[in-house]
Amino acid sequence: GQQLNQSPQSMFIQEGEDVSMNCTSSSIFNTWLWYKQDPGEGPVLLIALYKAGELTSNGRLTAQFGITRKDSFLNISASIPSDVGIYFCAGRGGNSGAGSYQLTFGKGTKLSVIP
Amino acid sequence: DGGITQSPKYLFRKEGQNVTLSCEQNLNHDAMYWYRQDPGQGLRLIYYSQIVNDFQKGDIAEGYSVSREKKESFPLTVTSAQKNPTAFYLCASAKSEEQPQHFGDGTRLSIL
Repeated sequence: GQQLNQSPQSMFIQEGEDVSMNCTSSSIFNTWLWYKQDPGEGPVLLIALYKAGELTSNGRLTAQFGITRKDSFLNISASIPSDVGIYFCAGRGGNSGAGSYQLTFGKGTKLSVIP
Repeated sequence: DGGITQSPKYLFRKEGQNVTLSCEQNLNHDAMYWYRQDPGQGLRLIYYSQIVNDFQKGDIAEGYSVSREKKESFPLTVTSAQKNPTAFYLCASAKSEEQPQHFGDGTRLSIL
């Protein structure tokens, strides 16, 4: 099946710093999604990307759909304490047939922000 | 408010017992999904349904069963055949299978 490598696994940053994380895939995706999960809750959709090269922002968050369609990046600028959580990437598609709309999830990047 | 409601928040199962996790959505979404999340892991798909009265197995369907009798509801039964059921279970829905999925707040299942 499709594999997603998400890095880094965890990171500790000072409040106010910028953050970057990424996902790479062994195969092509047609859609990239980025989610944030707080402890004991479900993931919340942050950004959806549908086109190679697309760059989309949501407040202090910016995500890009890699031009090769095998990677995606999420940047958070000027981090604040409420940015703490686990960030997941998810990719979809690239193959035809049954199940081609299923999402493949990365294992997450755990972000800790030091005030 | 529109959303996805999972219940209960915490559930305990005895050995050999079946338990059912509830997922209800009032978003008028056609597609619904069940995922399992283990510590330090990504989400793994158990079952999904694109339309009422139809559902398909995901990557880890063994030991689980579902039904989709109503558009709003997609309950998951964890059967006694599932030997390692302790996990965080997440339900999601989407307007269609091509649209982004939105998640409920999960049910944490533990074994007594």
